[in-house]
Amino acid sequence: DTAVSQTPKYLVTQMGNDKSIKCEQNLGHDTMYWYKQDSKKFLKIMFSYNNKELIINETVPNRFSPKSPDKAHLNLHINSLELGDSAVYFCASSHSGTSGRETETQYFGPGTRLLVL
Amino acid sequence: ILNVEQSPQSLHVQEGDSTNFTCSFPSSNFYALHWYRWETAKSPEALFVMTLNGDEKKKGRISATLNTKEGYSYLYIKGSQPEDSATYLCAFMDTGFQKLVFGTGTRLLVSP
Repeated sequence: DTAVSQTPKYLVTQMGNDKSIKCEQNLGHDTMYWYKQDSKKFLKIMFSYNNKELIINETVPNRFSPKSPDKAHLNLHINSLELGDSAVYFCASSHSGTSGRETETQYFGPGTRLLVL
Repeated sequence: ILNVEQSPQSLHVQEGDSTNFTCSFPSSNFYALHWYRWETAKSPEALFVMTLNGDEKKKGRISATLNTKEGYSYLYIKGSQPEDSATYLCAFMDTGFQKLVFGTGTRLLVSP
């Protein structure tokens, strides 16, 4: 059983296109995240949602728009793709702090490797 | 800006060696410190969530300690095995932002 799944795993596209990455978790978590692994292999938070509500929105270009139709899904839509958007994008989920700090372990998806040509 | 630093950046040991890495983080407004293990081409997997000063956690041959007053955590691997080869990430969460700030990781290679 896949706990956190992402589709697609690989995405190759042209500059200027619009694309979406989907994320689903079956762990019953109430918080979901998008991370970007940059060229230096850093994992940086982009967004987080708690119960479908946006909690964290880092300084990400507004070409990136997350959407959470329900607690189990957090999709990432990217408009007008640029070369610099090429990266690996990871989705993650966790319980929120109301269950205790030790339950906030984040579970990561397999990553989506985006290449913009 | 929260700064989380890990050292060394990389480490190459022989099978059977014991090793340890350091994670440094801000000593104020501490909320939690996470350790993750990240194998190449896979996703990060949680090892420990540490919340209290003086915490010590253990999972098999891997253990971790936490000092929130001075802002550091150590991860120890006893008797390293080739399957321990991975990048070990720590991530800090403070009381203000409620987000994980990751370090750059320590890349461990264990040779048979």
